[in-house]
Amino acid sequence: DIQMTQSPSTLSASVGDRVTITCRASQSISSWLAWYQQKPGKAPNLLIYQASSLESGVPSRFSGSGSGTEFTLTISSLQPDDFATYYCQQYDSYSPVTFGQGTKLEIK
Amino acid sequence: QVQLVQSGAEVKKPGASVKVSCKASGYTFTSYGISWVRQAPGQGLEWMGWISAYNGNTNYAQKLQGRVTMTTDTSTSTAYMELRSLRSDDTAVYYCARAEWLRPPYYMDVWGKGTTVTVSS
Repeated sequence: DIQMTQSPSTLSASVGDRVTITCRASQSISSWLAWYQQKPGKAPNLLIYQASSLESGVPSRFSGSGSGTEFTLTISSLQPDDFATYYCQQYDSYSPVTFGQGTKLEIK
Repeated sequence: QVQLVQSGAEVKKPGASVKVSCKASGYTFTSYGISWVRQAPGQGLEWMGWISAYNGNTNYAQKLQGRVTMTTDTSTSTAYMELRSLRSDDTAVYYCARAEWLRPPYYMDVWGKGTTVTVSS
C-alpha cells in the first residue's frame, strides 16, 4: 500500500497566519490527492481534490498544490474556524485508499 | 440537500457482528459508490472498503477481507456495512461517504455523521 506521511503532526499558529501542511507519498500518485478538515466529534469535510481543485463551498483561503510524491495544503490567512485536524488521502488507481496520519492545527 | 444518514450507536460483545446502515438522499444513489471509513478513538482515518451502487462491485481493505461485507439496497438508496467476529480494536466511529461509482480509490465528497460501535465484554 502507498504510505502517506504528513508534516508537521502538530502546528501552532495565530489568526491571520499563513500556514502550510505537507503530505508525502511513498510512491508517485500523480495528482490523485485529496485534503480533508475534521473537527472534534464531526465527520471529515472535503476541502481539495485532484491535488489542487477546491471543493464547492470551501473558502478560497484554502489551496492545494503538488504532484507526484509531494503535496501541500496552504491556508492563506487563518480564521478561528480553521483550527482543526487536517488529513491528506491518496486515491491512486492501482492501490487502496490510504490517509496521512493527520496534522492538528492549534491556536498559538 | 445531499446527505447520508447513518444508523445509531451499537454496543457489541467480542465475537458478535454489527451491521451499519447509511441512507442516501438528495442525489441519484446508483450514480455513485459508497466508501466506508473508520476512526478508532483518538486515531486517524482508516479506509475499510467501497461498493458501487451502480453495479454492486466491491473492494475491501486487505486487513478486513473475510470479516466485512458491504451491500446496497437500491430500492431504498441504502448502503450497509457488516463486520463480523468483532474484536475490541474494532471499537471506532464508522463513517459512510459518497465516492465515485466506477473505481474504488477515489475522494469522498459527502460524509455521514458516523456510527459509534463499541466492542466490549
